Amino acid sequence: DTGVSQNPRHKITKRGQNVTFRCDPISEHNRLYWYRQTLGQGPEFLTYFQNEAQLEKSRLLSDRFSAERPKGSFSTLEIQRTEQGDSAMYLCASSLEAVATNEKLFFGSGTQLSVL
Amino acid sequence: DQQVKQNSPSLSVQEGRISILNCDYTNSMFDYFLWYKKYPAEGPTFLISISSIKDKNEDGRFTVFLNKSAKHLSLHIVPSQPGDSAVYFCAASAMFSGNTPLVFGKGTRLSVIA
Repeated sequence: DTGVSQNPRHKITKRGQNVTFRCDPISEHNRLYWYRQTLGQGPEFLTYFQNEAQLEKSRLLSDRFSAERPKGSFSTLEIQRTEQGDSAMYLCASSLEAVATNEKLFFGSGTQLSVL
Repeated sequence: DQQVKQNSPSLSVQEGRISILNCDYTNSMFDYFLWYKKYPAEGPTFLISISSIKDKNEDGRFTVFLNKSAKHLSLHIVPSQPGDSAVYFCAASAMFSGNTPLVFGKGTRLSVIA
């Protein structure tokens, strides 16, 4: 039973550089979510996909952020022209579309981004 | 505007005693609530959930209570064990009225002392 996989685990970059993260969800899950977590805060929703369609984006997701999920499998999150305020843990989660009352998100271990 | 609030950043409990973690919410559209546990360097893992049609859900040592009129839920862990030491997040969603993404609280760090 493979869980949600995220790569890389850690990324250090200089301000102004572009970074890309990858998420591989649990194989039968059709929903994929991106969250961001900073120190002392809970995970904050960024965006989610149902299959390959991006259904919702948070206002937290500035124009510098773009997410894709080609073919409805893995997803990438790109941040262009990184800023120090982008430093955070980026969490990916997946779920099976809720058909009952028990939709649960399964999270990956996250990618810790540090912008210097 | 924080829709899910966990007002206690930390809690220390003796091994074997009960741990009670609290959560308040402001959005009356929320109808599905979950608790997640997070260890350092790992993603949150699902612990227990409750829908708004219930006021209690139990799973082993973990029980979640929901008080809709007070917009309050709590997680009880009994007996507490050292392995329960982690950060606990309360999360909520309007699943039945729009299937909104989960909104998380800031978390409560639980320390169970042996």
